Amino acid sequence: SQQGEEDPQALSIQEGENATMNCSYKTSINNLQWYRQNSGRGLVHLILIRSNEREKHSGRLRVTLDTSKKSSSLLITASRAADTASYFCATGTASKLTFGTGTRLQVTL
Amino acid sequence: GAVVSQHPSWVICKSGTSVKIECRSLDFQATTMFWYRQFPKQSLMLMATSNEGSKATYEQGVEKDKFLINHASLTLSTLTVTSAHPEDSSFYICSARGLAGPPDEQYFGPGTRLTVT
Repeated sequence: SQQGEEDPQALSIQEGENATMNCSYKTSINNLQWYRQNSGRGLVHLILIRSNEREKHSGRLRVTLDTSKKSSSLLITASRAADTASYFCATGTASKLTFGTGTRLQVTL
Repeated sequence: GAVVSQHPSWVICKSGTSVKIECRSLDFQATTMFWYRQFPKQSLMLMATSNEGSKATYEQGVEKDKFLINHASLTLSTLTVTSAHPEDSSFYICSARGLAGPPDEQYFGPGTRLTVT
């Protein structure tokens, strides 16, 4: 079963706008990771946030984690057409990752 | 660093035949490799975990006799889909975890699209 549920399932924005996607999970975690997948390709690791962290930044990415609500959000600022992809949250350890359902982001010019 | 390759990137086979997919860690030694399956517009589902030199551990519901996994070296794991059927058509992705590097990260290959006709 999926550990993470993401919303929205799909998101369409214009270039330059910010994109926010959310992930909710069910069990306690040590960390949560976000991945990007371009169409028909493998996954690219974006960022890892540990359970004792509330917010983390990496370039145009900002990830928040609220362990009391068992939720995380990924914000992409000043989006670009190249950000068009599916984004997945994942929980677990390097021994076993469980992925969320994913958000398909479309950034149009 | 931490590059994982898969071969082939896509394959079409006839129903009843077997297909082998290779997963290689190019610049690191992978103690553990993972095989995932992804249907269109869906998430990745872990099929099995393989450790070098030992038998793979399959997730519940995955037929080990149908999806044969071999992890013969620290840089190569193979997934063989035996007696393939159209319902096996999917995107197969491998990932690897190395001896070194962040303990929580897996490095993913580009995937193999299998179409069974």
